[in-house]
Amino acid sequence: EAGVVQSPRYKIIEKKQPVAFWCNPISGHNTLYWYRQNLGQGPELLIRYENEEAVDDSQLPKDRFSAERLKGVDSTLKIQPAELGDSAVYLCASSVPPPLGTEPYEQYFGPGTRLTVT
Amino acid sequence: RKEVEQDPGPFNVPEGATVAFNCTYSNSASQSFFWYRQDCRKEPKLLMSVYSSGNEDGRFTAQLNRASQYISLLIRDSKLSDSATYLCVVNTQTGANNLFFGTGTRLTVIP
Repeated sequence: EAGVVQSPRYKIIEKKQPVAFWCNPISGHNTLYWYRQNLGQGPELLIRYENEEAVDDSQLPKDRFSAERLKGVDSTLKIQPAELGDSAVYLCASSVPPPLGTEPYEQYFGPGTRLTVT
Repeated sequence: RKEVEQDPGPFNVPEGATVAFNCTYSNSASQSFFWYRQDCRKEPKLLMSVYSSGNEDGRFTAQLNRASQYISLLIRDSKLSDSATYLCVVNTQTGANNLFFGTGTRLTVIP
């Protein structure tokens, strides 16, 4: 079975330019996450989708970041305009939502997009 | 205060050594606990869940102390292939995957 697919794997852009990342989750995984991982840090959640609904976007910097998952399958994360501090690895993950009151299911991560803003 | 705190290391140990990683979490209402492994320039992958009674998977043992809000991972008989970053992960909400990751502890096993 194919894992979480992300593209591009690497992106170098100049500051103030826009950039977009794409993610295709594992088939049948209703929950999709976008994380940002800075060097030497753990992943930090940006946004979580249940199907096409963004259920947690509290950590998404909404002035420059946007995301969509229109058909509840693949998703796009956009930054416009990019800043130097946005350089990081952007990870997409997916999982099956757990029944209420139970432990969360494993999150499966994609390989990430390594963004460098110059 | 961070949700999850870990010693970033690095830990450099010889093959065959036993090594332990510790982690503390700030939210006493946290529900579920995990260790993820992340190889250099790769994505994180689930290593094991952590249960109150403690659990073991081969050379790996995970323990949880809810009173102290403390999680540990013990690796026995370290192998070269154990070299990676180990991320302590906490879920604060039942029925939802709201994971908070620690900064990770980097382990290098030396021949």
